[in-house]
Amino acid sequence: DAGVIQSPRHEVTEMGQEVTLRCKPISGHNSLFWYRQTMMRGLELLIYFNNNVPIDDSGMPEDRFSAKMPNASFSTLKIQPSEPRDSAVYFCASSLSGGAYEQYFGPGTRLTVT
Amino acid sequence: KQEVTQIPAALSVPEGENLVLNCSFTDSAIYNLQWFRQDPGKGLTSLLLIQSSQREQTSGRLNASLDKSSGRSTLYIAASQPGDSATYLCAVGATGNQFYFGTGTSLTVIP
Repeated sequence: DAGVIQSPRHEVTEMGQEVTLRCKPISGHNSLFWYRQTMMRGLELLIYFNNNVPIDDSGMPEDRFSAKMPNASFSTLKIQPSEPRDSAVYFCASSLSGGAYEQYFGPGTRLTVT
Repeated sequence: KQEVTQIPAALSVPEGENLVLNCSFTDSAIYNLQWFRQDPGKGLTSLLLIQSSQREQTSGRLNASLDKSSGRSTLYIAASQPGDSATYLCAVGATGNQFYFGTGTSLTVIP
């Protein structure tokens, strides 16, 4: 298996623009997690899905952030409008089924908002 | 809510030393505990996974232990090498199907 795939790997955008990050989980995994990592705050869970359904989005910073999982093999994290404080590395991870199983991370998307 | 703490935040050791990284958690109702390694500018690589019913797991020079009742896990690295320099994070898989991460220990192994 190719592992968790994320795109793009790097994104530079101007404040106010819409940003869409993409993730393909490992085939057969039912849980998908979006994290954000910064030097100041470390690794933060933004949202996670189980069987394509959002279970907990309490970590989503504000309404500018939204996430979807239209099918078992694809998820998006959208920021609209983007702000400089959104600059971070965004990771997607998947597991067979939630916290009971090993978690696998993608390589991350480094987002810079100027 | 589960809280995961890693101490120390940074550690520097000479090459060849054995070392222990610590991870503590507040709620013992966990499914498992996973140790990750993160190199600068890179993603997280899974090192070891310990199920809640297990006491320890070993992989090469790494040994992870778990004491659920005391809410503690340790990662033991034997005969450290400069290539072991990285940030090590622990994550608890908990009820509610979530993972809770510690803040990490930044390890530097000096040649």
